Amino acid sequence: NAGVTQTPKFRILKIGQSMTLQCTQDMNHNYMYWYRQDPGMGLKLIYYSVGAGITDKGEVPNGYNVSRSTTEDFPLRLELAAPSQTSVYFCASSSGTYNEQFFGPGTRLTVL
Amino acid sequence: AQSVAQPEDQVNVAEGNPLTVKCTYSVSGNPYLFWYVQYPNRGLQFLLKYITGDNLVKGSYGFEAEFNKSQTSFHLKKPSALVSDSALYFCAVRPPNTDKLIFGTGTRLQVFP
Repeated sequence: NAGVTQTPKFRILKIGQSMTLQCTQDMNHNYMYWYRQDPGMGLKLIYYSVGAGITDKGEVPNGYNVSRSTTEDFPLRLELAAPSQTSVYFCASSSGTYNEQFFGPGTRLTVL
Repeated sequence: AQSVAQPEDQVNVAEGNPLTVKCTYSVSGNPYLFWYVQYPNRGLQFLLKYITGDNLVKGSYGFEAEFNKSQTSFHLKKPSALVSDSALYFCAVRPPNTDKLIFGTGTRLQVFP
């Protein structure tokens, strides 16, 4: 079991560029989440999904998009990168809303 | 508004001493409560959770937490701290009827030899 994997580990973008952060889990979890972590701010939920084909906004969705075409994959899309999106991004999955979330290793994104 | 507070940015404790990392929450109804730990340059790892039942829950690595409904608290404790416990600790709450976790801002635990 690889658990939750994220690619890339690091990325530097220029303002206005776009990119997709990849997230894959091999635990057959229905629930998947994207968070961003900024220093001293804890984790903020960007988007989440309760199953393939179903996504919903979290606390800070502006500037991001997601899709969930399969159970395993939950990519996060940044369309027009801005310096405010400089952060560490974590993907997580869970087998149920009452159960613990399993986190990926994170993607450190810098927008210059 | 529903929220989680970790009032201490950092907790320092000597190895072998007991440790407490504080967490309070503001949620309508009965919440589900979680503690996670984050080591440098890693994702969060689950430590323990309270859903219902016994107010004292035991988790990984010798940690435990006590749910106190009247004080709306869920403090993390360990009887004897290890240097290897040094990390960033997050409290999280899942309000009723939602699929989302609300995280606190984190408390950095530093255990000195």
